[in-house]
Amino acid sequence: AQSVTQPDARVTVSEGASLQLRCKYSYFGTPYLFWYVQYPRQGLQLLLKYYPGDPVVQGVNGFEAEFSKSNSSFHLRKASVHWSDWAVYFCAVSIRAQGLTFGLGTRVSVFP
Amino acid sequence: GPKVLQIPSHQIIDMGQMVTLNCDPVSNHLYFYWYKQILGQQMEFLVNFYNGKVMEKSKLFKDQFSVERPDGSYFTLKIQPTALEDSAVYFCASSLLTGGYAEQFFGPGTRLTVL
Repeated sequence: AQSVTQPDARVTVSEGASLQLRCKYSYFGTPYLFWYVQYPRQGLQLLLKYYPGDPVVQGVNGFEAEFSKSNSSFHLRKASVHWSDWAVYFCAVSIRAQGLTFGLGTRVSVFP
Repeated sequence: GPKVLQIPSHQIIDMGQMVTLNCDPVSNHLYFYWYKQILGQQMEFLVNFYNGKVMEKSKLFKDQFSVERPDGSYFTLKIQPTALEDSAVYFCASSLLTGGYAEQFFGPGTRLTVL
């Protein structure tokens, strides 16, 4: 069965610094991959999604992610973090047509 | 952007009682989902629903669970009877399309506590 691992439960970063959130997936083929963000008291919002093709995917609010088949990874990056990026970030994989398989999430705290 | 609403945000009930969780999906969406997240664990797929039918369900979708969307109103998850292990946050989602690439829009969740 497919699985998603986000090895960092919490990340703390200074405003203006760069951010990388790690995601590893387990699946034999090439899956569809997603990054979602959850702000306090809100539902999950899609940041970006990967379809087979260009390995670097651009998302909203300056986020991008890079797919690596050899490393089974889909890491999320942002060059300069803003205080409003304080949230929980979820990596997810979709293999069948229906449900998403999520990682545990990474809680990002941003300090001035 | 499109929003999915969930009612109530919190629900506390006694074990053995029935509970109905309500979801107001994005208006033109056709596919509906429920996910369950136990505290400290991953969000897990429960079920998806289309055209009045359950399309797929996971092993977490016990016999005590049921879903429906009568006459295009709320998409509901009913648990009858509830058990202590049903305590979790339940997220509803909807999508216009299906397929591995389809974007699902999520609600803020309903926190269910079974005493």
